[in-house]
Amino acid sequence: EVQLVESGGGLVQPGASLKLSCVASGFTFSDYWMSWVRQTPGKTMEWIGDIKYDGSYTNYAPSLKNRFTISRDNAKSTLYLQMSNVRSEDTATYYCTRDLRSPEMDAWGQGASVTVSS
Amino acid sequence: DVVLTQTPVSLSVTLGDQASISCRSSQSLEYSDGYTYLEWYLQKPGQSPQLLIYEVSNRFSGVPDRFIGSGSGTDFTLKISRVEPEDLGVYYCFQATHDPPTFGGGTKLELK
Repeated sequence: EVQLVESGGGLVQPGASLKLSCVASGFTFSDYWMSWVRQTPGKTMEWIGDIKYDGSYTNYAPSLKNRFTISRDNAKSTLYLQMSNVRSEDTATYYCTRDLRSPEMDAWGQGASVTVSS
Repeated sequence: DVVLTQTPVSLSVTLGDQASISCRSSQSLEYSDGYTYLEWYLQKPGQSPQLLIYEVSNRFSGVPDRFIGSGSGTDFTLKISRVEPEDLGVYYCFQATHDPPTFGGGTKLELK
C-alpha cells in the first residue's frame, strides 16, 4: 500500500524556519517525481513545487521560490520542504504527493499543519 | 499565472441526481504536445484530496464511470451522474499545462 506520512509541522514564529518531512513507503520512492501542495485554512489549494525522481531538478511556484526549498533523500525514501522566513500567510496544511506524469498527483499524505503566529 | 474559475461554488443535490461542475481557464490549456493537462480532484470531508480525472477525461484507476470529464481549450466540465453519498466533498480542477500549476477555487458538493 502506498503511504506518505508528513511530519514537522506545528506553531512557528514569523521569520523563523521550518523543515517538513514526508516519509514514503509501499513503492519505489526513487522512481517518482514528488510534489508539495498546501491548503490554507480557507481551503485554497496552492502548488508549491516538485522535484525529479533523482533530485537533480526542482521547480517552484515563483511566489515561493526564494523562501521554500524542496529536496529528497532516496536512501531514506524521504521528501523534504525547507521553509524559511515564514509569514502568517504560510499558515496552511502541507501535503506531499506522488506524481505520475503531468503531474497526476495520485497519492497524498495526510498533511502537516503549520501555523505561523507570534 | 493561469486562473481557474470553478462554478458553482457550492452545489446541493439529491442522491441519484446528476451534478455538473464547470472549470474555466484564463488561457487555453492545450499544451504544445497536443495534450491538455487538466485534472480533477475530490477532497472528501476530513480527508486528503484524491485524483479523479487526468488529461480532461481519463478516469484514474478505480474511479467509477459515473464521473465524466470533458472539455477543451478553456472550458471544462466534470459531470457526476447518479450522485452517491461517497461523492460528497469539495471538487478542485487543476491545470499543469502552464507554469506554475494552479488549482481552481473548489466546488462543494453537498446534499440538498
